[in-house]
Amino acid sequence: NAGVTQTPKFQVLKTGQSMTLQCAQDMNHNSMYWYRQDPGMGLRLIYYSASEGTTDKGEVPNGYNVSRLNKREFSLRLESAAPSQTSVYFCASRLDLITGELFFGEGSRLTVL
Amino acid sequence: GENVEQHPSTLSVQEGDSAVIKCTYSDSASNYFPWYKQELGKRPQLIIDIRSNVGEKKDQRIAVTLNKTAKHFSLHITETQPEDSAVYFCAASRTQGGSEKLVFGKGTKLTVNP
Repeated sequence: NAGVTQTPKFQVLKTGQSMTLQCAQDMNHNSMYWYRQDPGMGLRLIYYSASEGTTDKGEVPNGYNVSRLNKREFSLRLESAAPSQTSVYFCASRLDLITGELFFGEGSRLTVL
Repeated sequence: GENVEQHPSTLSVQEGDSAVIKCTYSDSASNYFPWYKQELGKRPQLIIDIRSNVGEKKDQRIAVTLNKTAKHFSLHITETQPEDSAVYFCAASRTQGGSEKLVFGKGTKLTVNP
């Protein structure tokens, strides 16, 4: 049971390049999330998917797009990377609203030059 | 939308002392309040949570209290140990009403000195 798996773990991009962060969970969870973590800023929600087929904006969605490919997978895309998107990105999932606990992936460290 | 304020941003205690971290939230409809611990270079992990139908919850050396009227909740760690050193995040959300957003505070870096 791998839990939440993110790829890649590290990535360096040049300004303007695009990339996709992949996330998969094997816990049969309904809800999936993308957060970014910056020093002193805590965890800020980028996008989330309450269930397969739905996605919604979080606190800081600008510059990002997401796809809930199926129940297991939730990807985050940067179409034109900017230095302000340098961050550690965490994917997370949880069974449902009632259960509550978020399970996080190991994180993906992205640097945009 | 929900806004969560967390204090202090850093906290240093001696081993064996108690540590208290406080959070306030803005959305009176929030009813679920978890605390996450993140060790250096690791992922955040849930350590305790509380729902709005209770005022206090304990798990060994960790306790959380909730004051719904004042819209604040606190994490209490007793008999601190060096392995408690980490960043702690509080969060708040609704579990009904169509909003799945779990909003986090900015974190408290706890250092337990041996």
